Amino acid sequence: GENVEQHPSTLSVQEGDSAVIKCTYSDSASNYFPWYKQELGKGPQLIIDIRSNVGEKKDQRIAVTLNKTAKHFSLHITETQPEDSAVYFCAARGAGRRALTFGSGTRLQVQP
Amino acid sequence: DAGITQSPRHKVTETGTPVTLRCHQTENHRYMYWYRQDPGHGLRLIHYSYGVKDTDKGEVSDGYSVSRSKTEDFLLTLESATSSQTSVYFCAISEKDNTEAFFGQGTRLTVV
Repeated sequence: GENVEQHPSTLSVQEGDSAVIKCTYSDSASNYFPWYKQELGKGPQLIIDIRSNVGEKKDQRIAVTLNKTAKHFSLHITETQPEDSAVYFCAARGAGRRALTFGSGTRLQVQP
Repeated sequence: DAGITQSPRHKVTETGTPVTLRCHQTENHRYMYWYRQDPGHGLRLIHYSYGVKDTDKGEVSDGYSVSRSKTEDFLLTLESATSSQTSVYFCAISEKDNTEAFFGQGTRLTVV
């Protein structure tokens, strides 16, 4: 089955700096890669996703890049703000599979 | 926010007792999922459903069973709770198997 590895497990940045979280996946047939943000005491919430026919996608301060050859994808947050502090999860869905496989999460702390 | 309600939100139970968690949706989505979240493991799939009475196992299904008799309800049952099942349980829904999943607020289960 699919295996997703996520790094780093914790990340601390200064407000205004950029943050990058990286994930690798094992199933070369995976075709859908979402990123979720989870705030304390809440369920994960989708912030951006990308499909295998696209190399990059941006939404304001958030971007995701996908390298299918290397089987890795990354989340980029620019101009970080304290409200970006949360746990971020990457996930992947393999072709023909009906559920997402998640990475282990990155705790991002943005220092004011 | 997607219309997903998990109940109960918190539960403490004793080892060996049966426990049922409920997920109710108002979105009429076809797919429903149960994940558990544990430190260092991200979210791991327990069971999922791709329609009424259609369910399948995830990566950590041992000790759990599910039922879906109506589109809007997906029940997760621990037949005989063990301390290793202490976790936060999340229900998720998606309209199609290749679209985003929306998560509920979670149920914190403690088995003593």
